[in-house]
Amino acid sequence: DAGVIQSPRHEVTEMGQEVTLRCKPISGHDYLFWYRQTMMRGLELLIYFNNNVPIDDSGMPEDRFSAKMPNASFSTLKIQPSEPRDSAVYFCASSFIGEQFFGPGTRLTVL
Amino acid sequence: GENVEQHPSTLSVQEGDSAVIKCTYSDSASNYFPWYKQELGKGPQLIIDIRSNVGEKKDQRIAVTLNKTAKHFSLHITETQPEDSAVYFCAARRGGTSYGKLTFGQGTILTVHP
Repeated sequence: DAGVIQSPRHEVTEMGQEVTLRCKPISGHDYLFWYRQTMMRGLELLIYFNNNVPIDDSGMPEDRFSAKMPNASFSTLKIQPSEPRDSAVYFCASSFIGEQFFGPGTRLTVL
Repeated sequence: GENVEQHPSTLSVQEGDSAVIKCTYSDSASNYFPWYKQELGKGPQLIIDIRSNVGEKKDQRIAVTLNKTAKHFSLHITETQPEDSAVYFCAARRGGTSYGKLTFGQGTILTVHP
């Protein structure tokens, strides 16, 4: 298995633009997590899904952020409109009753 | 909710020395404690984990200890090597309805000097 796949790896956009981050979890995993990592706040859980259903979105910073998981092999995290303070590395992770496997992350820069 | 505190934030050792990183957690219902290593430009990778029914676990040069009464757990790396240099995160997870959600510590930057 190729592991968790994220795209794009790097994204540079201007304030106010819509940003969509994509994730393909490991086949057979039933949990999917979206994290944000910054120097100031560390690794924060934004939202997680179980069997494609959102379970806990209490970490989503505000209404500008939304996440979907239309099927077991794909999830998106969307920011609309983006702001400079959204600049961070966004990780997707998946698991099946145990270890969480992280993707390589998407480095987002909002100018 | 769960709160995980990790110390120290930075740790510098000489090659061959031991390194110890400590974490405390607040939720007595937490029962799973993984440790992750994150190298530059990569996502965190699990290196060892321990469950609440075990007090210690070892894997070659890495060991983790858990004190449920005091609600703290530690990572021990012996005979450190330069390739151990990375950021290390501890985490905690409770069972039951919150199954799946990890709460992470703030991370420790470990530097091993040759």
